[in-house]
Amino acid sequence: DAGVTQSPTHLIKTRGQHVTLRCSPISGHKSVSWYQQVLGQGPQFIFQYYEKEERGRGNFPDRFSARQFPNYSSELNVNALLLGDSALYLCASSPTADRGRGGELFFGEGSRLTVL
Amino acid sequence: AQSVSQHNHHVILSEAASLELGCNYSYGGTVNLFWYVQYPGQHLQLLLKYFSGDPLVKGIKGFEAEFIKSKFSFNLRKPSVQWSDTAEYFCAVNSGGYQKVTFGTGTKLQVIP
Repeated sequence: DAGVTQSPTHLIKTRGQHVTLRCSPISGHKSVSWYQQVLGQGPQFIFQYYEKEERGRGNFPDRFSARQFPNYSSELNVNALLLGDSALYLCASSPTADRGRGGELFFGEGSRLTVL
Repeated sequence: AQSVSQHNHHVILSEAASLELGCNYSYGGTVNLFWYVQYPGQHLQLLLKYFSGDPLVKGIKGFEAEFIKSKFSFNLRKPSVQWSDTAEYFCAVNSGGYQKVTFGTGTKLQVIP
């Protein structure tokens, strides 16, 4: 079975540009979350979507946005890139939005963004 | 806001040594607790999880963790490590808010043959 797939795997942008990262969840998973991992830190929560609705948002500026499509895939968009946005962006899917089992995540390999 | 503290940033052990990685969290309500692991060149994956019930949980590859509510701790243990356990280990907490998970900063474990 295919796991969570993310694209692109690596990309380089310059300050002020825009970036779109894509994620396909595991088949049957309806929840998709996005995390940012800066070198030397643990992943930081950005967004969670379930059934195409935003269910949670982390402490990130409005330059960060996301959406989920009818096939449950998702995009993360970042506008007006800053040097500090350089990080590994992780997508994770989950089969349920059950609060009792919240946090059980299946991660993709990530998209490594470098902002110059 | 909840937070997670991992006590060790880098641990070096010889094969067959015992392992204990500390994890403390700050949240007074009901929590779901996790250890995630990232092997070299691989993606982050779930090692073990606690939702409720028996506070001693067992995961893959002989790992176990104990939830001590009074100490807000969820320490990871393995009686005898192997070279293949070399990886980065992340403790994580979810307070029931859908999938929002707070991760610790990670512990890099290096096992020397």
